[in-house]
Amino acid sequence: ETGVTQSPTHLIKTRGQQVTLRCSSQSGHNTVSWYQQALGQGPQFIFQYYREEENGRGNFPPRFSGLQFPNYSSELNVNALELDDSALYLCASSSARDYEQYFGPGTRLTVT
Amino acid sequence: LAKTTQPISMDSYEGQEVNITCSHNNIATNDYITWYQQFPSQGPRFIIQGYKTKVTNEVASLFIPADRKSSTLSLPRVSLSDTAVYYCLVGARMDSSYKLIFGSGTRLLVRP
Repeated sequence: ETGVTQSPTHLIKTRGQQVTLRCSSQSGHNTVSWYQQALGQGPQFIFQYYREEENGRGNFPPRFSGLQFPNYSSELNVNALELDDSALYLCASSSARDYEQYFGPGTRLTVT
Repeated sequence: LAKTTQPISMDSYEGQEVNITCSHNNIATNDYITWYQQFPSQGPRFIIQGYKTKVTNEVASLFIPADRKSSTLSLPRVSLSDTAVYYCLVGARMDSSYKLIFGSGTRLLVRP
């Protein structure tokens, strides 16, 4: 068992709405990374947080934002949802930026 | 632009050795190369990680040449349950920003 949990499991939103996804990292891990995985494709890096600061960012627009809290849990916020935002959102925690990452089960977001 | 390339698919039979290669031409100098396994509707699962030369654990080996621009995951004796998608993951520094880049994924089918 990885220990990384994500909530909610599934979510349906309407285009233009905002969504917040949550991730609880594994005990002892101070780094959290978020990925978007469209159906049939590989995960795409959104951003990474290390000790509450953004440590790297992929090619996603500013309407994708995040937070990491003092307990190293994290949130992913997406504003002005678009149909193409429909995907599995994965959170992974690790003890350093590129060390072994433990993934959560993901949140399946559907935008209609 | 950093690119991480893998074969789209591979077929094998139970008991055979499978080697999957990933090309990663823009890997960051100090970053590790990590391989993951993913089943449908699940988060990726860590297989093995290395920096250079050869790493072996109880399930796989990882071969990394001196220039670190590629890596090869070796699964010694595959079984039906190894049917999954396999991804390599590397860190890269692009446009003064750190990014984690998944390969496109290799769909492995193991036949009886």
